[in-house]
Amino acid sequence: TQLLEQSPQFLSIQEGENLTVYCNSSSVFSSLQWYRQEPGEGPVLLVTVVTGGEVKKLKRLTFQFGDARKDSSLHITAAQPGDTGLYLCAGAERDNQGGKLIFGQGTELSVKP
Amino acid sequence: GAVVSQHPSWVICKSGTSVKIECRSLDFQATTMFWYRQFPKQSLMLMATSNEGSKATYEQGVEKDKFLINHASLTLSTLTVTSAHPEDSSFYICSAITGRTYEQYFGPGTRLTVT
Repeated sequence: TQLLEQSPQFLSIQEGENLTVYCNSSSVFSSLQWYRQEPGEGPVLLVTVVTGGEVKKLKRLTFQFGDARKDSSLHITAAQPGDTGLYLCAGAERDNQGGKLIFGQGTELSVKP
Repeated sequence: GAVVSQHPSWVICKSGTSVKIECRSLDFQATTMFWYRQFPKQSLMLMATSNEGSKATYEQGVEKDKFLINHASLTLSTLTVTSAHPEDSSFYICSAITGRTYEQYFGPGTRLTVT
């Protein structure tokens, strides 16, 4: 069974600071998704990365997929209180067993004004 | 596009009763839907994979007789929690796959409280 180690699990920062969340695995994933979830709601897909070394930007968010497709990172520049939420990485298993995703433990981000 | 709804958004039931939760893909056909359970400030725990027209595949440790899943059409899957107990109280979330099989779109979740 493939595992995704996500870190840190909790992060509390001041508005304007930068942060990075990491997802690491010893296994290769065919793709990796990042989701953001607010309390009482379902996760919302932010981005999908597929190609090793791929970098995608979404406003102040930068997502990177490792060259070997075993790890990924999410970097937020100049965090704002509206970025507060639970960030989840999820990897599609290499043989893509019917689309099942392996989820990281999540990162609870709190951005204080 | 790729909107998934769940009903109800929250439900309170008495111990021993059954509760049905619906998951619908509103603007696409979903051959596969997933059911997750989530505890506060924790990640999602996959319970089962639901394929249209066939029996659901349950993850290890999930009681198939307690969590009944039906996927009767390409836009609807249901999860029935039978003989609910307080320990079944949780946030249940479904997701569905579009044509790109590795992207899951999630419903808004259902908060179940068993008293």
